[in-house]
Amino acid sequence: GAVVSQHPSWVICKSGTSVKIECRSLDFQATTMFWYRQFPKQSLMLMATSNEGSKATYEQGVEKDKFLINHASLTLSTLTVTSAHPEDSSFYICSEPGQGDNEQFFGPGTRLTVL
Amino acid sequence: AQSVAQPEDQVNVAEGNPLTVKCTYSVSGNPYLFWYVQYPNRGLQFLLKYITGDNLVKGSYGFEAEFNKSQTSFHLKKPSALVSDSALYFCAFDTGRRALTFGSGTRLQVQP
Repeated sequence: GAVVSQHPSWVICKSGTSVKIECRSLDFQATTMFWYRQFPKQSLMLMATSNEGSKATYEQGVEKDKFLINHASLTLSTLTVTSAHPEDSSFYICSEPGQGDNEQFFGPGTRLTVL
Repeated sequence: AQSVAQPEDQVNVAEGNPLTVKCTYSVSGNPYLFWYVQYPNRGLQFLLKYITGDNLVKGSYGFEAEFNKSQTSFHLKKPSALVSDSALYFCAFDTGRRALTFGSGTRLQVQP
């Protein structure tokens, strides 16, 4: 199956700064990637769909100006948390949908802590 | 709204005993259902899926799940639990956009 990497695996930043998280599809060209958010001891919630070469599609309630998504190539999608605040602290996970009815392939996640 | 529900936050089972992690769904049409497992500090790993066909689905690591349309359930099972099966398990369905909607998760604790 596809291999998805994320960088960094964890990051600590000060409130008000911006943080960029990279998601790479290492062996598959992904025109679409998904970004999820997972709060401690909670489920994953879909934030947005990243589309290569076009604008991302955001889920209801997700601020697109705060969570900037760029999918500039078939192997890289980035999520930038702008002006981060402590409530943005979470585990961010990307996935690549695979082909057909097959399972999605998830990155290992990035733990963001905003002080 | 369409959803999957995992009624148990945690399931405890002794090693060697059978385990069941419950999932019920409220999805219109023919649901695409999945089970994923999450180990600490690792990405979600696919266990199995139901798309169509045989109601009993066999997956990775000896897990299986039975799709029951009349009970709208898709419980995950394993005949003999291992300590290494201890993890967080998620039931999910495909929304039709290839993205997944997840249940709340069930923590499985297998005691030696």
